[in-house]
Amino acid sequence: EVQLVESGGGLVQPGGSLRLSCAASGLTVSGHHMNWVRQAPGKGLEWVSAIHSGGSVYYADSVKGRFTISRDNPENTLYIEMKRLTAEDTAVYYCARDRAGDGFAAFDIWGQGTMVTV
Amino acid sequence: EFVLTQSPVTLSLSPGERATLSCRASQTSNSRYFAWYQQRPGQAPRLLIYGASNRATGIPDRFSGSGSGTDFTLTISRLEPEDFAVYYCQQHDDSPPVHTFGQGTKLEIK
Repeated sequence: EVQLVESGGGLVQPGGSLRLSCAASGLTVSGHHMNWVRQAPGKGLEWVSAIHSGGSVYYADSVKGRFTISRDNPENTLYIEMKRLTAEDTAVYYCARDRAGDGFAAFDIWGQGTMVTV
Repeated sequence: EFVLTQSPVTLSLSPGERATLSCRASQTSNSRYFAWYQQRPGQAPRLLIYGASNRATGIPDRFSGSGSGTDFTLTISRLEPEDFAVYYCQQHDDSPPVHTFGQGTKLEIK
């Protein structure tokens, strides 16, 4: 079964840091474009960051310079390191796989999410 | 900056009725990069439609997507009780590679 499981969320003080993890099973993180998407309480979805299969990384303007996406290939795990957190970063953070590879782009596999409260 | 505007914000219908949800892009969109998602309360989003009109694996055929350019539509032919949820459209832009979501349409029971 293909599964993404996020962890690492919690309560952090403004200005603090946190690292989220997304452990994958049934798929190889390094073989896909992987993403982080967040959802503030009662709000819509916001794309945060992506790491492509080739290693290129991309960020939303709202987190650029503060967040760093990475992956550990042997551990088959996706990460996002978040620094200088503010109340506006409070959200459920999801990891998601982009099905890119057949000419389409869409997030077909999602984790259950982990809550970050600043 | 790519902006997706969904309408209506809230749609009130009864089970068995037909639902039509719209998403308008601020600039011409590559249909291959356009998708729709369903999110039920307390759950992660679920991919419904990719490439503007292709149903994702396991999605019932009462869900259909259409559109091109700047106007896209998600249609649910006959609403089932489990279809009442929030729906999001999404567009991927190549340069730079970023993703944009619409603000969502809440489909509620009338």
